[in-house]
Amino acid sequence: GDQVEQSPSALSLHEGTGSALRCNFTTTMRAVQWFQQNSRGSLINLFYLASGTKENGRLKSTFNSKESYSTLHIRDAQLEDSGTYFCAAESNNRIFFGDGTQLVVKP
Amino acid sequence: GALVYQYPRRTICKSGTSMRMECQAVGFQATSVAWYRQSPQKTFELIALSTVNSAIKYEQNFTQEKFPISHPNLSFSSMTVLNAYLEDRGLYLCGASGAETLYFGSGTRLTVL
Repeated sequence: GDQVEQSPSALSLHEGTGSALRCNFTTTMRAVQWFQQNSRGSLINLFYLASGTKENGRLKSTFNSKESYSTLHIRDAQLEDSGTYFCAAESNNRIFFGDGTQLVVKP
Repeated sequence: GALVYQYPRRTICKSGTSMRMECQAVGFQATSVAWYRQSPQKTFELIALSTVNSAIKYEQNFTQEKFPISHPNLSFSSMTVLNAYLEDRGLYLCGASGAETLYFGSGTRLTVL
């Protein structure tokens, strides 16, 4: 979307490796949500952040409202991590979506 | 913890019939609920935004006559797809936000036969 620039659009990782996804915002966002759409099309909420960093297992996310970005780090990638990852950010009661990062984890 | 239950997860309906999907917010007060449809390009299009005690605002290309929404309280919202046709197929998503939360449901995948 215009307010959210998500990168990369596609990412390929070998099992056990890691990488970072990023969303840059063109306006001040109050909060950000990261979620995964798995290969079956189901959506899984990963993180909600109003600020700072959260970690859950092999995933870690940071939201810096002042510098207008958020990141999602994946480490020790597993096959089941494959899917499309979206960030969604909230500003003035509206939610803006990134265009998604299509992640493929290979054996 | 806070989360949003969206159901059904998947549904099939005959062309010309209607189907309803619901979202339940648990653990927080959903002052705003937005409904989205995922486009074939995988991006999410906003259908409408509902804020308690305010009129529901529909985006261009979406109407109340086609996608009536109910948001009767701070924990529940529903949306109906009326007279569904093939072009209405896809994933529908609700996003609920409160004072310090923003959660999405798991989506409702609509198949139209």
